[in-house]
Amino acid sequence: AQKITQTQPGMFVQEKEAVTLDCTYDTSDPSYGLFWYKQPSSGEMIFLIYQGSYDQQNATEGRYSLNFQKARKSANLVISASQLGDSAMYFCAMRTGTASKLTFGTGTRLQVTL
Amino acid sequence: DAGVIQSPRHEVTEMGQEVTLRCKPISGHDYLFWYRQTMMRGLELLIYFNNNVPIDDSGMPEDRFSAKMPNASFSTLKIQPSEPRDSAVYFCASSYSEDYEQYFGPGTRLTVT
Repeated sequence: AQKITQTQPGMFVQEKEAVTLDCTYDTSDPSYGLFWYKQPSSGEMIFLIYQGSYDQQNATEGRYSLNFQKARKSANLVISASQLGDSAMYFCAMRTGTASKLTFGTGTRLQVTL
Repeated sequence: DAGVIQSPRHEVTEMGQEVTLRCKPISGHDYLFWYRQTMMRGLELLIYFNNNVPIDDSGMPEDRFSAKMPNASFSTLKIQPSEPRDSAVYFCASSYSEDYEQYFGPGTRLTVT
């Protein structure tokens, strides 16, 4: 069975600083995909970034990068130059094998302060 | 593209009533997913479709829940009869293929009193 663990219920970061949100996963399937989503207070789920298990390089999308450490089974999200608008819940999710379903972690609430 | 469209955005109903949630996926996306989000259980997949065919409904809580996708541009999630424990935010999402990211609709906040 696959499992996603986000151990940080809440995080604070100062504006313009970088922050790392932790995500570890567990699966025995060699083929999987890892996703990060942002959920602001308005409630919508916004796709941020994707990393495939066979990807050689860490994924990057603008200020978002994914620190993928396969041996440690971790897929941490790094947000550089934090902005007030980054304040939100962040969810890590995994898809395994040929299954399309996503398994989500419990989320980390990020608060960006002045 | 307009993104995934869900209606209604908010629904308040009394226990025992039938509730129908609606979803229009992004055009060209072959996969459609229904999720439920609660404080207690987080985000959980209820059912998903590929090319209008239900593939995995193992997350559907019980027989009171049913979902249909009569065509590529429309899906419904029905709860009959509704119960207070069904109160949650229900998300619809779609993706181009099984390997691609899923795009979520704005969600329907359901309150059953």
